[in-house]
This record gives sequence, C-alpha cells and structure tokens, in this order.
Amino acid sequence: AQSVSQHNHHVILSEAASLELGCNYSYGGTVNLFWYVQYPGQHLQLLLKYFSGDPLVKGIKGFEAEFIKSKFSFNLRKPSVQWSDTAEYFCAVIFTGGGNKLTFGTGTQLKVEL
Amino acid sequence: DVKVTQSSRYLVKRTGEKVFLECVQDMDHENMFWYRQDPGLGLRLIYFSYDVKMKEKGDIPEGYSVSREKKERFSLILESASTNQTSMYLCASSFPGSGPLLFFGSGTQLSVL
Repeated sequence: AQSVSQHNHHVILSEAASLELGCNYSYGGTVNLFWYVQYPGQHLQLLLKYFSGDPLVKGIKGFEAEFIKSKFSFNLRKPSVQWSDTAEYFCAVIFTGGGNKLTFGTGTQLKVEL
Repeated sequence: DVKVTQSSRYLVKRTGEKVFLECVQDMDHENMFWYRQDPGLGLRLIYFSYDVKMKEKGDIPEGYSVSREKKERFSLILESASTNQTSMYLCASSFPGSGPLLFFGSGTQLSVL
C-alpha cells in the first residue's frame, strides 16, 4: 500500500539552528508532494507544494523542500529557524490515480527554544 | 479568502449517541473531505465527496457515514459513538481547477465518554 513516512516525531532546536525534516513515500509512479504546517491552536496551512519542474521548491516563511525522485524523498529545510516556527509539520502525497486524496505522514512536532 | 467552517470547536458526547459534525465551505468547491487527526498517527481520511449526493470511502470509514445534500455542506455522522472515536476531526475542501490543494477548517475536538 502507498504510504508516507516521517521518521522524526519530535525535534527540538535552538533559534538560528538549521532545520531538515525527513519525508519519504512508497510509490514508484507520479506523485504530487506537499508540506503543511499546523501552528498551536490553528488550522492546517500549506507551506509549499511540488507538482512538476524544478525539484527545489520554495515556500512561505523561508521554507524550502527538495524532491529527490531516486530516494522517494521530499525533505523540508529552513536555514535558520525562529521561535515562531514551533508547530507540527505534515508531509502529504497524492499518488497517481488517487484523485485528490491526500495521504499524510504522521507529523513532526517541532519546538524551537529561545 | 476561502473559508471552511466547522460548526463546533469542542463537542462532548456519550457512548452510543448519534453525532453529527457539520462542515460548510463558501467557495463553491466540488471536493470535500473528512479527516481525523490523532497524535502519532497524523491525518487519516474517513470519507470524501466529489459532488452533491456523491461519496466515497477513505482509508478508515468504519463507524462513520456522510451526507452531501448541498454543494457547500458536508456532514460526518457517527451512528453510534464509541470511545475510540474520540479525536480531532478536520474538514477540507478543494476545487479541481486549483489542482489538489486543500483548504482546511479549524477542526472539531470530539470527546466520547
């Protein structure tokens, strides 16, 4: 079955540290890839998306992600995190033939300390 | 701005009760979805709908049903609530022209006692 894995469940960083959150999926076909963020008490928001073209995607708030097809990965990065980046981050994938059904990873809880 | 509104932010029900969770979107979206969010499990798709009166099962439909009588409204029904249905329920909508971009509501935290 197609699945999405986020191996880091909890990450704690100090402000200004660099961030990389892993996302892998199991499927050999065409995919659409997303990262969503959920700040405490707020609804899910789209950070960035990849459909096709340049595999390095830039999103809001200084986040970026790189699609590496050979590794079935779509890792999220930010060079320097801020306290306000404390949130839960979800990777999500649409698999070919799946309509608009998003399959989510289990999420990574990021805490940024001052 | 797209607005997806879920009628209740918090809901407490008793085991065996019939529960209705309502979701309304104001952007004439064809597609609507119900997810549940549980710690450590992420979001899991319960049901979705691509059109009025149309529904399809997601990954975890057992114990749930849905209703889509009007385009803007998508209801999730727990026929007989159980304690393992205690969860955060998220509604989302999208339209085909936007690509697979979902807009989420704020969620309903349901507690079944």
